[in-house]
Amino acid sequence: SQQGEEDPQALSIQEGENATMNCSYKTSINNLQWYRQNSGRGLVHLILIRSNEREKHSGRLRVTLDTSKKSSSLLITASRAADTASYFCATDESNDYKLSFGAGTTVTVRA
Amino acid sequence: EAQVTQNPRYLITVTGKKLTVTCSQNMNHEYMSWYRQDPGLGLRQIYYSMNVEVTDKGDVPEGYKVSRKEKRNFPLILESPSPNQTSLYFCASSPRLPRFGYGYTFGSGTRLTVV
Repeated sequence: SQQGEEDPQALSIQEGENATMNCSYKTSINNLQWYRQNSGRGLVHLILIRSNEREKHSGRLRVTLDTSKKSSSLLITASRAADTASYFCATDESNDYKLSFGAGTTVTVRA
Repeated sequence: EAQVTQNPRYLITVTGKKLTVTCSQNMNHEYMSWYRQDPGLGLRQIYYSMNVEVTDKGDVPEGYKVSRKEKRNFPLILESPSPNQTSLYFCASSPRLPRFGYGYTFGSGTRLTVV
């Protein structure tokens, strides 16, 4: 079952600009994670934010979490061509045994 | 290097011919899982395992089997593949259940085509 939904589905930006994508989910969670996937390859874990955290940073990534709105955002600052990929949010429902992934946001960074 | 290794990377097979996709991790992770990725449907969990000899169904288990006889290996078995199992398959592992704050390490994927 798909717990998270990303918005927008696709995003095209110029190199150097910031990219923001959002994730909404349906039920209470323990953690929310973001992953990157380069064209048909395996997903790579980017960052995890716990339900009691509101914001987290990792390099050029900034993640926010609003549990009252059941939503999260991922900001990539100063984008590079290498950031071209699909980005997925993943959530774990409180008593579940898996991560549920959204359909992803495809980001294209133009040189 | 810490990794999840899947084989094969690409596979084309015929309907009904049993196949196995192997998955091995070298991180001593307890939790392993199989997902399939289809356009418009995202990633859906097929099976998972919380430890050796402990496996359970995910969201889309029909037509698949798994086993976990050793901690490092978690093969996915298609006893009688059908065209609707054409998909991109991923194996993933994590130290423990994701809800305890662990992320997945994914394999590189297996693109399966059943004709």
